[in-house]
Amino acid sequence: QQQVKQSPQSLIVQKGGISIINCAYENTAFDYFPWYQQFPGKGPALLIAIRPDVSEKKEGRFTISFNKSAKQFSLHIMDSQPGDSATYFCAARTAGGTSYGKLTFGQGTILTVHP
Amino acid sequence: DGGITQSPKYLFRKEGQNVTLSCEQNLNHDAMYWYRQDPGQGLRLIYYSQIVNDFQKGDIAEGYSVSREKKESFPLTVTSAQKNPTAFYLCASSIVGRGEQFFGPGTRLTVL
Repeated sequence: QQQVKQSPQSLIVQKGGISIINCAYENTAFDYFPWYQQFPGKGPALLIAIRPDVSEKKEGRFTISFNKSAKQFSLHIMDSQPGDSATYFCAARTAGGTSYGKLTFGQGTILTVHP
Repeated sequence: DGGITQSPKYLFRKEGQNVTLSCEQNLNHDAMYWYRQDPGQGLRLIYYSQIVNDFQKGDIAEGYSVSREKKESFPLTVTSAQKNPTAFYLCASSIVGRGEQFFGPGTRLTVL
């Protein structure tokens, strides 16, 4: 049962371009939406995160846009660099109950930035 | 350095054998998690624990078992009942109630 749907599955952009990855969720009991970056053979690392009471969060070249009514959020990577080539996962945290703190991940997007 | 260690990095086992993956953390986190990663399927939660001597099944717990006897350690056993165990296994930890989970480097298990 996939509760967080991520697209596209893969993405190729040119250096300097904008990379956009989208996620949609169904469960309204999520209270925190992180994005993770994973390089081949490594564990994921937190990139940026947002709470549902905020519509946008920016950290350097990375921006999360959040649309609570549409239950969608997206990651924008401005001025994409070859070093950004990695797999990106969106996730959503369960807000309460016995599953509090549990993260549900999207399927992942393989980003390739060509020089 | 604080962090999460997983061992071994690569593991090969014959079909029908149980195998235990190690996960240790020195971040003083109460919560620990095990995920399985397969291509195109993201990270799927196997088990998680928010306190010593207690753990909960995740979305794909069948064929796996865990223990949490110490705060620092959360080993995962892949049993012979797991029908398709070949995968990349990731351990993570966090402060209970905090969103950020810190991941280990993973163990790639191949069943021959």
